[in-house]
Amino acid sequence: GESVGLHLPTLSVQEGDNSIINCAYSNSASDYFIWYKQESGKGPQFIIDIRSNMDKRQGQRVTVLLNKTVKHLSLQIAATQPGDSAVYFCAENINFNKFYFGSGTKLNVKP
Amino acid sequence: GAGVSQSPSNKVTEKGKDVELRCDPISGHTALYWYRQSLGQGLEFLIYFQGNSAPDKSGLPSDRFSAERTGGSVSTLTIQRTQQEDSAVYLCASRLSGGADTQYFGPGTRLTVL
Repeated sequence: GESVGLHLPTLSVQEGDNSIINCAYSNSASDYFIWYKQESGKGPQFIIDIRSNMDKRQGQRVTVLLNKTVKHLSLQIAATQPGDSAVYFCAENINFNKFYFGSGTKLNVKP
Repeated sequence: GAGVSQSPSNKVTEKGKDVELRCDPISGHTALYWYRQSLGQGLEFLIYFQGNSAPDKSGLPSDRFSAERTGGSVSTLTIQRTQQEDSAVYLCASRLSGGADTQYFGPGTRLTVL
């Protein structure tokens, strides 16, 4: 199967700081990427997506960066809040069919 | 509007029994996915339905697992002769089409096999 992995399994940040969560993917043919947030006991929730023809996309307090040269994806969260504490997954998609998920990074926001 | 719903939310069963897990996707969504998530792990793809096409079953771990989608809407994931290693959260997601649309996930069914 495909390989989507995360560099840091756990990330602790101070409230108000910016967070950066990284993800490496293995298939250069992947053309669509999504970041999900999963809170305890809930299903993953869409945060932001990006297509392979872009290298940056911004949402509200979140930015996704895509570096196809090194097959790397990152999620930046500005002014991290306690409500951002969750597990974050990246997912890659090929030909808009199946999604392959990484193992997740747990973000702890310290007050 | 209503999101993806799954039932039951929790299921405890004995080893060797069969279980059925249900997913009600968002109305009008043509694509439906099943995933398995073990504790502290990522999502493992199981099966994918897209419209009237033959489902992609490449992620099913064994022939004890099967799924069907009736009328292009509700889906049922069946696990026969459950084993303890089947214990996990089973997540369903639906998607408007096969294009660049995101998946919307249900809350999952937590399966515990004793």
